[in-house]
Amino acid sequence: KAGVTQTPRYLIKTRGQQVTLSCSPISGHRSVSWYQQTPGQGLQFLFEYFSETQRNKGNFPGRFSGRQFSNSRSEMNVSTLELGDSALYLCASSLGGSKRRETQYFGPGTRLLVL
Amino acid sequence: KNEVEQSPQNLTAQEGEFITINCSYSVGISALHWLQQHPGGGIVSLFMLSSGKKKHGRLIATINIQEKHSSLHITASHPRDSAVYICAAAGVNTDKLIFGTGTRLQVFP
Repeated sequence: KAGVTQTPRYLIKTRGQQVTLSCSPISGHRSVSWYQQTPGQGLQFLFEYFSETQRNKGNFPGRFSGRQFSNSRSEMNVSTLELGDSALYLCASSLGGSKRRETQYFGPGTRLLVL
Repeated sequence: KNEVEQSPQNLTAQEGEFITINCSYSVGISALHWLQQHPGGGIVSLFMLSSGKKKHGRLIATINIQEKHSSLHITASHPRDSAVYICAAAGVNTDKLIFGTGTRLQVFP
């Protein structure tokens, strides 16, 4: 079974631009969670989608948004980029139950640099 | 104070040594995940546990829910174990994961 894939792997943008990142989960997985990782803050939860609906949300501003398609693929969008948005963005998929009971499978991440 | 704390932050060891990484949390949890992140960023889930102990090869994870503490042990450490190890707590009433700051392990031959 193919693992979680993320595209693009690397991205350079300038302040004020917007960016869209994509995540394809493992076949059969219906839950996709997004995380931001920075040297200063570590890993932080952005949001989770399940069956095309946002099921959970972290404490990020509204500039961060996402969606999930009927095939479970998910995209996240960051508008009006700021320098502090430079980070590794990771997605993780699981079958769709609770993180209290299911292993999360992570993608390789998209490294975003905002200049 | 972070809700999930890890210690030590950095750890160096000689090949063959027994390694222990600790994770303490201040919130009520229903499960704890141990993750491994190699240089380059990819994360692999090592364990998910809500009680007792789990073992996979040279890796052992334990958790004490009452004491709000979990440990990850590596027996007979090897240079390929060099990575960042992260614990993440799944809350009782929330399905969000709260992450520790990670422990950077370097194992030298």
